[in-house]
Amino acid sequence: DTGVSQDPRHKITKRGQNVTFRCDPISEHNRLYWYRQTLGQGPEFLTYFQNEAQLEKSRLLSDRFSAERPKGSFSTLEIQRTEQGDSAMYLCASSLAAGGSDGYTFGSGTRLTVV
Amino acid sequence: AQSVSQHNHHVILSEAASLELGCNYSYGGTVNLFWYVQYPGQHLQLLLKYFSGDPLVKGIKGFEAEFIKSKFSFNLRKPSVQWSDTAEYFCAVTGSARQLTFGSGTQLTVLP
Repeated sequence: DTGVSQDPRHKITKRGQNVTFRCDPISEHNRLYWYRQTLGQGPEFLTYFQNEAQLEKSRLLSDRFSAERPKGSFSTLEIQRTEQGDSAMYLCASSLAAGGSDGYTFGSGTRLTVV
Repeated sequence: AQSVSQHNHHVILSEAASLELGCNYSYGGTVNLFWYVQYPGQHLQLLLKYFSGDPLVKGIKGFEAEFIKSKFSFNLRKPSVQWSDTAEYFCAVTGSARQLTFGSGTQLTVLP
């Protein structure tokens, strides 16, 4: 058990459908991050929350992507009108300290396959 | 902007061999450096991190890394690898950004 939970573990969807993923960070961690990882690549940053505020968004995060963290606890990542290029592992991480001095803790990820 | 390069895409070693995985970063300011490991089917796990102080950092499972500022490097080492070390290894950095920037990873295969 990593302490960061992600749901679902796997999602297969048809192109054009909307999908939503959930991340539950370690309870005392106020910082939450979303990353995307494709085969053979390292994780790429998508977005960052401190408490409920979304403080940074990557240029990778197109208008079809939206993330929320309404009460500063769990977070959701929604992809609208999915495309085959969205197929990837979506990772969530959390940390307590700025800059990750406590070490970012990652969840097991949600693997999205768009068919 | 910060970036990380891992030059070895795939490394194959026999058990008991010594390991060194290269990591170079690009950033002009103060950096925090990390090595993560991802075992097959598992989540990313922190091996070690460097923030300040002794540039030789010891992590879990017998791994260590040395921060050489003049070379912008943070290479990962282990004196004697085991079959169970087979995994993908990622170097990462935070600089001005609050989030991690990862390298592309090195797949390590240890032959029994």
